[in-house]
Amino acid sequence: AQSVTQLGSHVSVSEGALVLLRCNYSSSVPPYLFWYVQYPNQGLQLLLKYTTGATLVKGINGFEAEFKKSETSFHLTKPSAHMSDAAEYFCAVSNSGGGADGLTFGKGTHLIIQP
Amino acid sequence: DAGVIQSPRHEVTEMGQEVTLRCKPISGHNSLFWYRQTMMRGLELLIYFNNNVPIDDSGMPEDRFSAKMPNASFSTLKIQPSEPRDSAVYFCASSFGQSTNQPQHFGDGTRLSIL
Repeated sequence: AQSVTQLGSHVSVSEGALVLLRCNYSSSVPPYLFWYVQYPNQGLQLLLKYTTGATLVKGINGFEAEFKKSETSFHLTKPSAHMSDAAEYFCAVSNSGGGADGLTFGKGTHLIIQP
Repeated sequence: DAGVIQSPRHEVTEMGQEVTLRCKPISGHNSLFWYRQTMMRGLELLIYFNNNVPIDDSGMPEDRFSAKMPNASFSTLKIQPSEPRDSAVYFCASSFGQSTNQPQHFGDGTRLSIL
């Protein structure tokens, strides 16, 4: 069975500072990994995904994540936080190594940007 | 292009009533997913369909929950009878193809409150 752990339900950073949101996963098959962002009263929007190939994945809005198999991690980073980055972030792993399958989500991390 | 469309956006009803949530996936997508989001349990996959056929309904909490997909452009999630613990935000998502390379696109959700 797949599982996702996001360390820190709330993360606060200053505007312009580095953003680091942590995600560790457990998967019985080679994982497909995702980061989604959720703004208030909206659905989830895909930030980036890792399937195969390059382990450093770039996404929208300046975010990137690195897949580290040895650490079973897929941490999300952004060099310089912007006020518009304040939102809920979810890490997810596919329930199988392929196929149009469901996702298992972490509990989410609320990112707060201090002016 | 229109995204995933869910209706209603908000639903408030009394316990014991039947509730029907609706979803229109993105045109051309052949996989559809229903998720539930609560503070306590986060985002949980309830059921998903591929080519209108239910593939995995192991996440459906009880027999009071049922989902159908009569055609490629419409799905319903029904709760009968509803209970206060069913209060949550219900999301529908759709994707294209057989591979999780294709990301899931989420609707804005239905916020359900059972009194």
